[in-house]
Amino acid sequence: GQNIDQPTEMTATEGAIVQINCTYQTSGFNGLFWYQQHAGEAPTFLSYNVLDGLEEKGRFSSFLSRSKGYSYLLLKELQMKDSASYLCAVSSGGYIPTFGRGTSLIVHP
Amino acid sequence: GAGVSQSPRYKVTKRGQDVALRCDPISGHVSLYWYRQALGQGPEFLTYFNYEAQQDKSGLPNDRFSAERPEGSISTLTIQRTEQRDSAMYRCASSLSGRLAGADTQYFGPGTRLTVL
Repeated sequence: GQNIDQPTEMTATEGAIVQINCTYQTSGFNGLFWYQQHAGEAPTFLSYNVLDGLEEKGRFSSFLSRSKGYSYLLLKELQMKDSASYLCAVSSGGYIPTFGRGTSLIVHP
Repeated sequence: GAGVSQSPRYKVTKRGQDVALRCDPISGHVSLYWYRQALGQGPEFLTYFNYEAQQDKSGLPNDRFSAERPEGSISTLTIQRTEQRDSAMYRCASSLSGRLAGADTQYFGPGTRLTVL
């Protein structure tokens, strides 16, 4: 089976930096995804990591350590519109990603 | 259309009725996925197709749930004899090639909110 763990909720201040962690235990590994989901909307793709290291994309970066079963999503220069749920999803042997329950990020002024 | 569309957006039905939920994927996308998402949870995999072939239906909760994609484009998820526990958001996603590697990511539709009374 697969187990994906991420914090339920985080709060941060506008303009700050926040790191959302995700740990996973899976049988096989084909990649890790991060999605953003605003309340009442569909998840939208943010990043994909298959090799160890940091992938940077504008204000968002994602890090992966396969040996530790660990990833994080780093959000810089936080904006109010970044308030959303952030979903970590791991693709293993069958390629179908398994989603974590998501981390609800609240950005306040 | 530009994205994945689903219909209806909202469905209220009485226990015991059958419902059919429709998904129209992005044109040209090979793979189509069905998920169920409870409030405050991540999407839970139900089934997926490559073209018209159902590749994996291991996530379907029981035999009241079925899905088809007869022409490799539009898909229908059918729930027979609905029960209150079936109430959830049902989401569809599509991807270009189905390998989920690199840029071949899933694009999600807006979902159908199903309420079983």
